[in-house]
Amino acid sequence: DAGITQSPRHKVTETGTPVTLRCHQTENHRYMYWYRQDPGHGLRLIHYSYGVKDTDKGEVSDGYSVSRSKTEDFLLTLESATSSQTSVYFCAISDLPTAFLNTGELFFGEGSRLTVL
Amino acid sequence: AQSVAQPEDQVNVAEGNPLTVKCTYSVSGNPYLFWYVQYPNRGLQFLLKYITGDNLVKGSYGFEAEFNKSQTSFHLKKPSALVSDSALYFCAVREGTPLVFGKGTRLSVIA
Repeated sequence: DAGITQSPRHKVTETGTPVTLRCHQTENHRYMYWYRQDPGHGLRLIHYSYGVKDTDKGEVSDGYSVSRSKTEDFLLTLESATSSQTSVYFCAISDLPTAFLNTGELFFGEGSRLTVL
Repeated sequence: AQSVAQPEDQVNVAEGNPLTVKCTYSVSGNPYLFWYVQYPNRGLQFLLKYITGDNLVKGSYGFEAEFNKSQTSFHLKKPSALVSDSALYFCAVREGTPLVFGKGTRLSVIA
């Protein structure tokens, strides 16, 4: 299994409080991603990073920010959590695609379940 | 923009019967197509991929998928289903860097 650790695995918080989820990898992969999984929506990309300090928005980035100060860590922050951000959050990593040897498939962490009351 | 559709929310199949989980895609160029599986309370696991070449791709746990360019489909198949195959299955497409996932199909294999 790819070395990806998400923390915390479970969190319950109240509306309006800040929340930070951490993703740590030991694979030295260049790309890191944050997805959220919700019933009926599948996985939707929040933000991703293609290198240290290089990030870009995904499909559902409003209300979220990210930071990547080291190759191994990718932080997802909810500045002021809302009930609509109750979800399961998945971190994923991939390496730089090269023809045939690696086509950029993702490896996922175990998920962080966030409940906003 | 790239997209992928899984038309069935749920697929039920008897153990020992063949199974098919459907996926169609939309991209402007040549697609990279993937199938992932998610077991309860776990992250997604890579099953197989199509990049180029043979339209029938073999993957983990006896699964295979058939790429059909004219129908823009990439259906997941297995000749004989097991109860342990019961899980959530996601199709995904990559044209740029991030993968775009379908909404998932829940497969239930009944003993």
